[in-house]
Amino acid sequence: EVHLAESGGGLVKPGGSLKLSCTASGFTFNSYTMNWVRQAPGRGLEWVSSISSGGDYIYYGDSVKGRFTISRDNAKNSVYLQMNSLRAEDTAVYYCARDMILDYWGQGALVTVSS
Amino acid sequence: DIQMTQSPSSLSASVGDRVTITCRASQSISRYLSWFQHKPGKAPKLLIYAASSLQSGVPSRFSGSGSGTDFTLTISGLQPEDFATYYCQQTYSSLLTFGGGTKVEIK
Repeated sequence: EVHLAESGGGLVKPGGSLKLSCTASGFTFNSYTMNWVRQAPGRGLEWVSSISSGGDYIYYGDSVKGRFTISRDNAKNSVYLQMNSLRAEDTAVYYCARDMILDYWGQGALVTVSS
Repeated sequence: DIQMTQSPSSLSASVGDRVTITCRASQSISRYLSWFQHKPGKAPKLLIYAASSLQSGVPSRFSGSGSGTDFTLTISGLQPEDFATYYCQQTYSSLLTFGGGTKVEIK
């Protein structure tokens, strides 16, 4: 059974940093693109970033480009999101999701940016 | 970036109703279109991919159609568990984008 589990969420001050992790199981992790998607309070879904199966191709949404960094460790079946220069508008539940069609999702990690 | 526009943004319907949600892309995306269901406090759920392919385990009352720029999600015979927010999403571009969502509420 495919399972994705996010961790690392929490409360951080504006300008601070946080690193999210997503650990996968139940499938051949190194064969799939992985993604981060977020939902801010009262807002819709927003794609954040994608990383190809081998890590060669990386993409970011405009709102996080230059501040967030996606990476993966295929030996650990994990994908990460390093978030720097955090802003109040980055407050959201962050989900990791598998493949370009986002066929499986984790339960999400809450990130709150507030002083 | 490719913009995705959903309509309506919300609707009220009764159990048993047929519900249709539309999604328009700002440029042709062929059939690279997915639909998701999202309930509060839960992970989003993939319903339809490639415009009309039903994801495994999804009830057959959900169907998708369209190509190019115009797409439709239809729920034939709304069930109590279908009250949720629905999103379209394009996978034509590597810069993925979602529609704004359609909240389906109980009439």
